[in-house]
Amino acid sequence: ETGVTQSPTHLIKTRGQQVTLRCSSQSGHNTVSWYQQALGQGPQFIFQYYREEENGRGNFPPRFSGLQFPNYSSELNVNALELDDSALYLCASSKYRAQNIQYFGAGTRLSVL
Amino acid sequence: DQQVKQNSPSLSVQEGRISILNCDYTNSMFDYFLWYKKYPAEGPTFLISISSIKDKNEDGRFTVFLNKSAKHLSLHIVPSQPGDSAVYFCAASEENQFYFGTGTSLTVIP
Repeated sequence: ETGVTQSPTHLIKTRGQQVTLRCSSQSGHNTVSWYQQALGQGPQFIFQYYREEENGRGNFPPRFSGLQFPNYSSELNVNALELDDSALYLCASSKYRAQNIQYFGAGTRLSVL
Repeated sequence: DQQVKQNSPSLSVQEGRISILNCDYTNSMFDYFLWYKKYPAEGPTFLISISSIKDKNEDGRFTVFLNKSAKHLSLHIVPSQPGDSAVYFCAASEENQFYFGTGTSLTVIP
């Protein structure tokens, strides 16, 4: 069984640029969620995708957007990067409504300079 | 507004003793509560969960207690082992919204 994989592992961007992060879900999972984890903080929920549609969203501006593909893999896109976007971005996959248990990837570390 | 709070940033326990990690929440509509463990350079790993309609769930050395009137959740690890040393996150969900605490770093001393 393949776990959740994220790419790239590290990324450096400059303010104002755009970034795309990628995630492959665990086999058999149809739901993917994205989180932002700043240093010393817990993961903050960005949004969740189910059946290729956004299925829930946290308190993040519209410049954070996503996609889910038919094979349940997913992308997180962030436009107009700000310095505060520097964080670890975690992807988690799950079976829809299965007690909300999520399986996380190791994350992408984004640095915005 | 932090809906899930872990007020103890760190905890040290002797090997073989009980570790108790605490979590408080503010939203009475949460339907599931979960604990995740995180090692450095890895993503959080699911440990144990509890439905809001229950007050206790056990899985081996790990037991989660839910006190809805106090809006309080705790994780008991008995006996604690050095391999349990990690950051523990409390999490809660409501519909398709998910909230995590800031984590408690547990150190089990051999």
